[in-house]
Amino acid sequence: DTAVSQTPKYLVTQMGNDKSIKCEQNLGHDTMYWYKQDSKKFLKIMFSYNNKELIINETVPNRFSPKSPDKAHLNLHINSLELGDSAVYFCASSFTGDWGYTFGSGTRLTVV
Amino acid sequence: KNQVEQSPQSLIILEGKNCTLQCNYTVSPFSNLRWYKQDTGRGPVSLTIMTFSENTKSNGRYTATLDADTKQSSLHITASQLSDSASYICVVSWGGSQGNLIFGKGTKLSVKP
Repeated sequence: DTAVSQTPKYLVTQMGNDKSIKCEQNLGHDTMYWYKQDSKKFLKIMFSYNNKELIINETVPNRFSPKSPDKAHLNLHINSLELGDSAVYFCASSFTGDWGYTFGSGTRLTVV
Repeated sequence: KNQVEQSPQSLIILEGKNCTLQCNYTVSPFSNLRWYKQDTGRGPVSLTIMTFSENTKSNGRYTATLDADTKQSSLHITASQLSDSASYICVVSWGGSQGNLIFGKGTKLSVKP
């Protein structure tokens, strides 16, 4: 069973479109994260949710809006997609105070 | 400025050989240091997590060391296997909040037969 699953795995879309990436974890973790890995393979945190509440919101354009309907899900919605949004987006989860993160397999977003 | 630098950027070794990857960091206040393995097209998988007081931690053929005084860490891989081919990422956690992670750019390791 997949611990942290993201859908879709690949997403190709045109500039200006709105798209969503979904993330679900079945580990019982109470904290979930979104990371962006750029073309240089550098991972940067975007958002963190703890028990459905936003606790970290890095400097990310407000076109990016996370939504956590429950502790097991953290979705990422992106409005008005731009070329620079092309990257691999990773979802991760952990227990509060636990340093062991479990990452999903990533969603490769390509904006054309 | 909080930074994590890894070296080398890439490394090619023959199967069965050992190798050592380096990580230098300037992160304050330091909380812990992790090594992740990331296979192509997959998410990072944790290998080790080390706190300030830990000098060495092993996970099978992987051994991580931490020198908190010099702010250096290394990941030693023993008797490499083809499946070790991946990117190895050093990640330093700082401050008290979860999510405050500084990721290195990784070392791409290729193990050849």
